[in-house]
Amino acid sequence: GAVVSQHPSRVICKSGTSVKIECRSLDFQATTMFWYRQFPKQSLMLMATSNEGSKATYEQGVEKDKFLINHASLTLSTLTVTSAHPEDSSFYICSAQAGLRPYEQYFGPGTRLTVT
Amino acid sequence: QKEVEQNSGPLSVPEGAIASLNCTYSDRGSQSFFWYRQYSGKSPELIMSIYSNGDKEDGRFTAQLNKASQYVSLLIRDSQPSDSATYLCAVRAAGNKLTFGGGTRVLVKP
Repeated sequence: GAVVSQHPSRVICKSGTSVKIECRSLDFQATTMFWYRQFPKQSLMLMATSNEGSKATYEQGVEKDKFLINHASLTLSTLTVTSAHPEDSSFYICSAQAGLRPYEQYFGPGTRLTVT
Repeated sequence: QKEVEQNSGPLSVPEGAIASLNCTYSDRGSQSFFWYRQYSGKSPELIMSIYSNGDKEDGRFTAQLNKASQYVSLLIRDSQPSDSATYLCAVRAAGNKLTFGGGTRVLVKP
């Protein structure tokens, strides 16, 4: 399958600071990337859909000013958690969508964010 | 009613046996169907994709799709302890978004 990387894999930050997470598709071009969040023992929750060169589409209840998404190229999308708080601590996972049917989504390894 | 439903399990399977996982979906317009495996603390890994009625086999895995009955299943043959994980069913209707089921936890006992 296709390879998607994510960096950093783990980050601890203080409350009030901002954290940037990078997602890269390494061996294919992804016009669409997705950002998910997963709390312990819960299923994936889609936060936003990121299209190259356009504004991200956020799911209901996700604050776009808090979770800034940039998809500047066909291989890179970034998620910035601004003014992080302890309740933002979670497992953030990106995925990249292949351009051919059935448009499979490949997930990055995830970033575990802990806000102290 | 949830859009994509799975039995949460755990589904306990003896080593070497067949594990059978089921998934039902509510949107008849769904076009593509995916099975992901997720180990604890890790991100999901794509196992199979299927979009035509019938069976699709890949190694020890077989996906089965029945659009008329709105279900998709996954069979794992010769189950191994390393198959112990949560299996997520995902469905795509119109658009790009995937809708995930809650996952079925599988435990393969030696």
